[in-house]
Amino acid sequence: KQEVTQIPAALSVPEGENLVLNCSFTDSAIYNLQWFRQDPGKGLTSLLLIQSSQREQTSGRLNASLDKSSGRSTLYIAASQPGDSATYLCAVRPPGAAGNKLTFGGGTRVLVKP
Amino acid sequence: SQTIHQWPATLVQPVGSPLSLECTVEGTSNPNLYWYRQAAGRGLQLLFYSIGIDQISSEVPQNLSASRPQDRQFILSSKKLLLSDSGFYLCAWKQGAWGEAFFGQGTRLTVV
Repeated sequence: KQEVTQIPAALSVPEGENLVLNCSFTDSAIYNLQWFRQDPGKGLTSLLLIQSSQREQTSGRLNASLDKSSGRSTLYIAASQPGDSATYLCAVRPPGAAGNKLTFGGGTRVLVKP
Repeated sequence: SQTIHQWPATLVQPVGSPLSLECTVEGTSNPNLYWYRQAAGRGLQLLFYSIGIDQISSEVPQNLSASRPQDRQFILSSKKLLLSDSGFYLCAWKQGAWGEAFFGQGTRLTVV
């Protein structure tokens, strides 16, 4: 059974510092991995989707890397801003017919202090 | 562009009352549709998914049911709510099983 872990559960950094968020998964047989952002009381906003064949994916200040063999993905947010404060979740998708079942991590709650 | 609408945003219901949450997607056809629940301090739990009209898969036994009467409409229901049904309910869609997932804004349900 796939398990996804995000450590730490919470993170506080001063504005301008780079953020490094970790996501670990136990089964390396994944189809892709998706990073989301969730603001308090709101739905999830998709940030990046990285396919199992990719090593990294970039969008603006965001960069996600994937090391499937070691079961790890890292989300980097450059030059953090107070507006980056939110909970960040990763989710992995298995291949085959089970692809409908995303497995989520517990999230990392980020606070960027001005 | 595709959009997903979910309502209501918040709901307070007494124990034993019925429930109906609605989700619609615009700008796409034949999406895969999903209902998740996010309980306080816990991760997201997949409740139901649908790959087509009247095709519903249930992931966990529970007091809830789902229906898909139209291609882009997904409804989460209960005949009698329990206190344990309280939580944050999220609807999502994907194009195919392996595409990028997009979520609605969620419904905060409190059963009192």
